[in-house]
Amino acid sequence: DQQVKQNSPSLSVQEGRISILNCDYTNSMFDYFLWYKKYPAEGPTFLISISSIKDKNEDGRFTVFLNKSAKHLSLHIVPSQPGDSAVYFCAASPWGYTNAGKSTFGDGTTLTVKP
Amino acid sequence: DTGVSQDPRHKITKRGQNVTFRCDPISEHNRLYWYRQTLGQGPEFLTYFQNEAQLEKSRLLSDRFSAERPKGSFSTLEIQRTEQGDSAMYLCASSFPTSYEQYFGPGTRLTVT
Repeated sequence: DQQVKQNSPSLSVQEGRISILNCDYTNSMFDYFLWYKKYPAEGPTFLISISSIKDKNEDGRFTVFLNKSAKHLSLHIVPSQPGDSAVYFCAASPWGYTNAGKSTFGDGTTLTVKP
Repeated sequence: DTGVSQDPRHKITKRGQNVTFRCDPISEHNRLYWYRQTLGQGPEFLTYFQNEAQLEKSRLLSDRFSAERPKGSFSTLEIQRTEQGDSAMYLCASSFPTSYEQYFGPGTRLTVT
């Protein structure tokens, strides 16, 4: 049973437009959510996160939205740039310091931003 | 500090052989994690340490797998009697104990022939 799902394996957008990456989760114990970006031959790099007490977190061009009742989060990238082309992983953790870092990952969405 | 490093980056071995991977975390980080990633999937949690104590192991970590972090610094992951199903990317990550954000190394790609 996959607890974190990214239903779109790939997404292609034009440079300058908005990229929206989606993620759904099933475990009600998840209280902290993260997005990681991964380039080929590198490990995942932390991008942005959100706790369940918020519904939005913004960092520059990146915004994460959380709909806890729907168990859904999304990552918006505006404007998209060719350097954003990468695999994006959604990850979720239960609350608490014991659980911090023990993330459950989705299978990733490959974003391609075309010049 | 140059981040999390892993060695080797690639390992090809024959079925039945033992392999050992090393991870050097960011020096200030108390926590160290091992994940496994297969093609087309996200990282799967294997085990983690706080300092030298191994606090949790996933059920994915069979008896053929063992991880150590003897002095609370670098860690090793050993796979005994490798099987073709062990072929994967093995990722190491580190973090502060109260942080959800992890810093990943580049991974060790294992191919079992």
